Amino acid sequence: EVQLVQSGAEVKKPGESLRISCKGSGYSFTSYWISWVRQMPGKGLEWMGRIDPSDSYTNYSPSFQGHVTISADKSISTAYLQWSSLKASDTAMYYCASAGDPDYWGQGTLVTVSS
Amino acid sequence: QSVLTQPPSASGTPGQRVTISCSGSSSNIGSNYVYWYQQLPGTAPKLLIYRNNQRPSGVPDRFSGSKSGTSASLAISGLRSEDEADYYCAAWDDSLKVFGGGTKLTVL
Repeated sequence: EVQLVQSGAEVKKPGESLRISCKGSGYSFTSYWISWVRQMPGKGLEWMGRIDPSDSYTNYSPSFQGHVTISADKSISTAYLQWSSLKASDTAMYYCASAGDPDYWGQGTLVTVSS
Repeated sequence: QSVLTQPPSASGTPGQRVTISCSGSSSNIGSNYVYWYQQLPGTAPKLLIYRNNQRPSGVPDRFSGSKSGTSASLAISGLRSEDEADYYCAAWDDSLKVFGGGTKLTVL
């Protein structure tokens, strides 16, 4: 069974750094890109970017380029989404998803940024 | 402002057939597959339709997808109360994935 399991909810202060994770199992992790999707409170889905776990090649939505970093460690079948300096506006639910057909989604990680 | 355009809301009564539209352009829907997701309150999105009209294992055949030109539709037949959710269309646009703004389906 294909599964993407994400790390738990985080509460951070503005200016802090954060890395959340997404661990794949039940398939060859390097076979499919991993995307990250943001959902702000009460809002729709926004695609942030993706990574090819086989070689860590990434491409980002222009809306998120420079604001987050996507990385992966294929040795442990895990992808990451990272911020160096969080803002209150980063408060959202973040989902990872495999990019195969059909795709599979993680359960989501809630990130709350508040002073 | 989402790249793909969906109606913000739709409704129907139990047993009815409802459709949700999704409009895009030649660079996304016009030249790539369309995906549909269902998001129940407080849960992660669930894939309903991929490659325009394919259902993943476990998705009832009450759900169907179609595409024509730069538009696509999701049809739900035999509407049930548990179908009340948000529905999103998506497509690749060059190397970016774009979503519709979502349609809130209410079962009256």
